[in-house]
Amino acid sequence: DAGVIQSPRHEVTEMGQEVTLRCKPISGHDYLFWYRQTMMRGLELLIYFNNNVPIDDSGMPEDRFSAKMPNASFSTLKIQPSEPRDSAVYFCASTLLQGTDTQYFGPGTRLTVL
Amino acid sequence: LAKTTQPISMDSYEGQEVNITCSHNNIATNDYITWYQQFPSQGPRFIIQGYKTKVTNEVASLFIPADRKSSTLSLPRVSLSDTAVYYCLVGDANQGGKLIFGQGTELSVKP
Repeated sequence: DAGVIQSPRHEVTEMGQEVTLRCKPISGHDYLFWYRQTMMRGLELLIYFNNNVPIDDSGMPEDRFSAKMPNASFSTLKIQPSEPRDSAVYFCASTLLQGTDTQYFGPGTRLTVL
Repeated sequence: LAKTTQPISMDSYEGQEVNITCSHNNIATNDYITWYQQFPSQGPRFIIQGYKTKVTNEVASLFIPADRKSSTLSLPRVSLSDTAVYYCLVGDANQGGKLIFGQGTELSVKP
């Protein structure tokens, strides 16, 4: 398996633009997670899905952020409109089972909002 | 979710054994202890997980005392490539996979 795939790897955009980050989890994994990492706040869980259904979105910073999982092999994280403080590395991770099962992280998308 | 506390940074030299201790005073009965490793520009990677006593794999050992209020990750004979950030996480097996990453310990291995 190719592991968790994220695209793009790097994104540079201007304030106010819409940004869409994409993730393909490992085939057969039932859970998908979106994280954000910054120097100031560390690694934060934004939202996670189980069987394509959002379970906990309490980490989503505000209404400008939205995430979807239309099928078991694809998820998006959208920011509209983007702001400079959204600049961070966004990671997607997936896992087979709930609870303590190992999470497999993708390579991340480095987002820069000018 | 139980909060974890670990040293912000540690220094070591190649060939030494490194022990990183994590405190989790509020650990609950259903909680497991998991350690992840993160290299620069990469996502975190699972190292080891345990519930009590000692767990060992090809990469590390995890020591958990009887009260489970702390745990120690032991890396034998570190090399320069072990320079990374190490995260201690405490997660409830019944909470659907939700894990909270703390600040982590930045380990620097010197030649």
